Amino acid sequence: GESVGLHLPTLSVQEGDNSIINCAYSNSASDYFIWYKQESGKGPQFIIDIRSNMDKRQGQRVTVLLNKTVKHLSLQIAATQPGDSAVYFCAENPRGGQAGTALIFGKGTTLSVSS
Amino acid sequence: DTGVSQDPRHKITKRGQNVTFRCDPISEHNRLYWYRQTLGQGPEFLTYFQNEAQLEKSRLLSDRFSAERPKGSFSTLEIQRTEQGDSAMYLCASSRGRGEAFFGQGTRLTVV
Repeated sequence: GESVGLHLPTLSVQEGDNSIINCAYSNSASDYFIWYKQESGKGPQFIIDIRSNMDKRQGQRVTVLLNKTVKHLSLQIAATQPGDSAVYFCAENPRGGQAGTALIFGKGTTLSVSS
Repeated sequence: DTGVSQDPRHKITKRGQNVTFRCDPISEHNRLYWYRQTLGQGPEFLTYFQNEAQLEKSRLLSDRFSAERPKGSFSTLEIQRTEQGDSAMYLCASSRGRGEAFFGQGTRLTVV
């Protein structure tokens, strides 16, 4: 079936480094994407979103890049901090998909930041 | 607190019992979603409402599961005749239209 997936299940970085978390999606009808951060025992926390009419969007220390040609999404975190340690999920919102217009999540990448 | 609220946070039940969870969305949000998450996996879509109408249900939502949003505000998710495979985190989220969805802290269900 169509799903959102992440390239790497884990990513380890040093404090202060930049982190890049990647995600591949397969539904070309998806027109809205969100990155979430989830800490242990908590619900997913919204980080940043992007619509398909854009290829880049910046927030505070985070940048999302969207490449619709290869169906690829990435999250860049600048100057990674220990508090950024969490599981990161990308989610897509397909139009007319199996789940209507609900978000579909991938499996997640666990980011570990060491000081 | 103006975020999405879920109750209870934790529920332990015996196999075969019925359980009901509640979700209070952000007040101006017309869409409400239920997801299930097991350890190491991303949230799996169960169902969603736009106002009081249930617009979509996943195949994961067996006949033992039912969700309601009677007045377009809070929602309940009931699981009848619980099975050990129902043990998971049940997440609720809300959004204004197709905008960003905000999640609650979830209800962790353990079926023993």
